[in-house]
Amino acid sequence: KQEVTQIPAALSVPEGENLVLNCSFTDSAIYNLQWFRQDPGKGLTSLLLIQSSQREQTSGRLNASLDKSSGRSTLYIAASQPGDSATYLCAVRNTDKLIFGTGTRLQVFP
Amino acid sequence: KAGVTQTPRYLIKTRGQQVTLSCSPISGHRSVSWYQQTPGQGLQFLFEYFSETQRNKGNFPGRFSGRQFSNSRSEMNVSTLELGDSALYLCASSLAGEPGTGLADTQYFGPGTRLTVL
Repeated sequence: KQEVTQIPAALSVPEGENLVLNCSFTDSAIYNLQWFRQDPGKGLTSLLLIQSSQREQTSGRLNASLDKSSGRSTLYIAASQPGDSATYLCAVRNTDKLIFGTGTRLQVFP
Repeated sequence: KAGVTQTPRYLIKTRGQQVTLSCSPISGHRSVSWYQQTPGQGLQFLFEYFSETQRNKGNFPGRFSGRQFSNSRSEMNVSTLELGDSALYLCASSLAGEPGTGLADTQYFGPGTRLTVL
C-alpha cells in the first residue's frame, strides 16, 4: 500500500531564505508526482507535475526533483516571500488516484 | 480559461439528511475526481469519472455516490449524513483520459465545498 510522508510537518523561516520541502513515498510504481499549495480553507493550487521519467521540473522560483528509485521528491523554493506561506502537499499518481502526503505548513515572516 | 467551480461553497445540514454537491470542470476536461479532506484523515479519494463513467472508487461507504453528465459536470451525493461527514469536499479535473499522459494528467482543483453536519 502506497504511503506518502512529508517532512517537516511545519516550517517557519525569515523572508529571503531558500528552503527545501521533502516528500517520500513507499512504492516507486507511480505515473507522476504533483506538488500543490493550499491556503487556509481553500482548494489546492497545482504547482508542478513531474512525470515518472523525469528528474526535475522548474517554474519560476520553484524547482521540484524526483528520485523514483529511492522514493523521494524535493520542492526547492528560492528567495522565499511572505506570500509563499501556505501548506504544501505532494501527491503521487497511481493507476486510479492521487495519494497525498500529510503536508508541510510553511510560514515565511518578514 | 475559467477554473474548476464548485457549488455551493458552504453547506450546513443535520444528521440523517442528504446532500448534493456540484462540480464544473475546466472547459475541455473530461476527467473529474472527488476528494474528502478532514484534519484527521487528510485528503482521501472518493471517486473518479470519465466520459460519464465511474472509473475508480475509493474506500467509502455506499452512502457516497456520484455521477457525471454529458457536459462533464459532476455531482456527488451523500445520503443519511453523519457527523463524521463534516469535511471539505474537493473536486479536481484533468485533460487526460488516463494516467501516464504527461502534463495532461495535471489535476486542477476547485475551491471546495465546506460541509458541516450538525
